[in-house]
Amino acid sequence: DAGVTQSPTHLIKTRGQQVTLRCSPKSGHDTVSWYQQALGQGPQFIFQYYEEEERQRGNFPDRFSGHQFPNYSSELNVNALLLGDSALYLCASSSGDNPSTDTQYFGPGTRLTVL
Amino acid sequence: DQQVKQNSPSLSVQEGRISILNCDYTNSMFDYFLWYKKYPAEGPTFLISISSIKDKNEDGRFTVFLNKSAKHLSLHIVPSQPGDSAVYFCASSSQGGSEKLVFGKGMKLTVNP
Repeated sequence: DAGVTQSPTHLIKTRGQQVTLRCSPKSGHDTVSWYQQALGQGPQFIFQYYEEEERQRGNFPDRFSGHQFPNYSSELNVNALLLGDSALYLCASSSGDNPSTDTQYFGPGTRLTVL
Repeated sequence: DQQVKQNSPSLSVQEGRISILNCDYTNSMFDYFLWYKKYPAEGPTFLISISSIKDKNEDGRFTVFLNKSAKHLSLHIVPSQPGDSAVYFCASSSQGGSEKLVFGKGMKLTVNP
């Protein structure tokens, strides 16, 4: 049973560029959340997708957008990249059947470096 | 405004001894708490969780204690093993484990053989 997968593993971009990160959830999961982990910090919630809709959003600017596909996979898009966007981007999936007890399972992350 | 705090950045213990990792939170709406551990170059791995209706949850060598009045939780690992060496994150949610998680900064645990 494949866990959460993310691509690419590493990415280097320059300021002002746009980037797309991809995530495939764990088998049986229909909910995908994205987190940003800056160096020395804990993961910070960006947004969550369920049934192809953004269900929750954290305190991130509109430059951060996402999408969920019918097969539950998801993309994170970041426009007009800033140096401060350099971070590890983590995708997590969950089933949402029992939100009070369900657990989010994380992928290995995509390391984004903005030069 | 940090709602989940892990005030100790690191802890070093001897193999076989107890490891105690602490976490404090400020948001009274949090009702579900989780611990994740993270190895380098990997994503966080779920370890154990506890609902606010309980004050203790045990899973093998891992026990989480919740003190709601103090807004404090702790993770006990007994006995500690070298393979437990990792960064441990405390996370909280006001809507259950599958909803938005608020993480602490993490604490690096080193278990020495």
